[in-house]
Amino acid sequence: DSGVTQTPKHLITATGQRVTLRCSPRSGDLSVYWYQQSLDQGLQFLIQYYNGEERAKGNILERFSAQQFPDLHSELNLSSLELGDSALYFCASSVDVVSSSGNTIYFGEGSWLTVV
Amino acid sequence: DAKTTQPNSMESNEEEPVHLPCNHSTISGTDYIHWYRQLPSQGPEYVIHGLTSNVNNRMASLAIAEDRKSSTLILHRATLRDAAVYYCILRDYGGSQGNLIFGKGTKLSVKP
Repeated sequence: DSGVTQTPKHLITATGQRVTLRCSPRSGDLSVYWYQQSLDQGLQFLIQYYNGEERAKGNILERFSAQQFPDLHSELNLSSLELGDSALYFCASSVDVVSSSGNTIYFGEGSWLTVV
Repeated sequence: DAKTTQPNSMESNEEEPVHLPCNHSTISGTDYIHWYRQLPSQGPEYVIHGLTSNVNNRMASLAIAEDRKSSTLILHRATLRDAAVYYCILRDYGGSQGNLIFGKGTKLSVKP
């Protein structure tokens, strides 16, 4: 158990719909990361937040958005869903951004999204 | 981002050592070498990391070449549970982001 909690574990929804994935980071971790993993694209970095502020943005579509709340939990919002958005979405957390000690990033078990 | 090169797949026999190579010829002085693995249907899991010196922990050992352009993850006695995709990732500790950029990794199969 990494200590990172993601809900829901599985989600099936129709094209055009909107879903929200939720992530609770490990206790004390200030950074939250979102990744998407599909069969053909591998693990793709989407976005990172640190203590409530966006820190880095990767291959995140404009239809997707995220935020980190004052209690440090994070949500990934996916809208106007397409069949190609079906994937496993991982949340991860770390104490800080990279420090001189090379801190570890801990991943949750993921949220399986199926768009039909 | 500095890139790494790993073999697509490797096979090992159970209870034998496994050496997983990684080339990172464009590594910079502030890049840490991180290894993560992903077991089937699970999130990636931290294995080990190092900067210049060889490192050991309960899971594995990391051997880093003197010029830091390559490294090897060593599993001393492979078990069936070690079958996973292993990712070698460079991470700039001097940067302000810290996100991991995953490549395709090496898929390790362990035969009983």
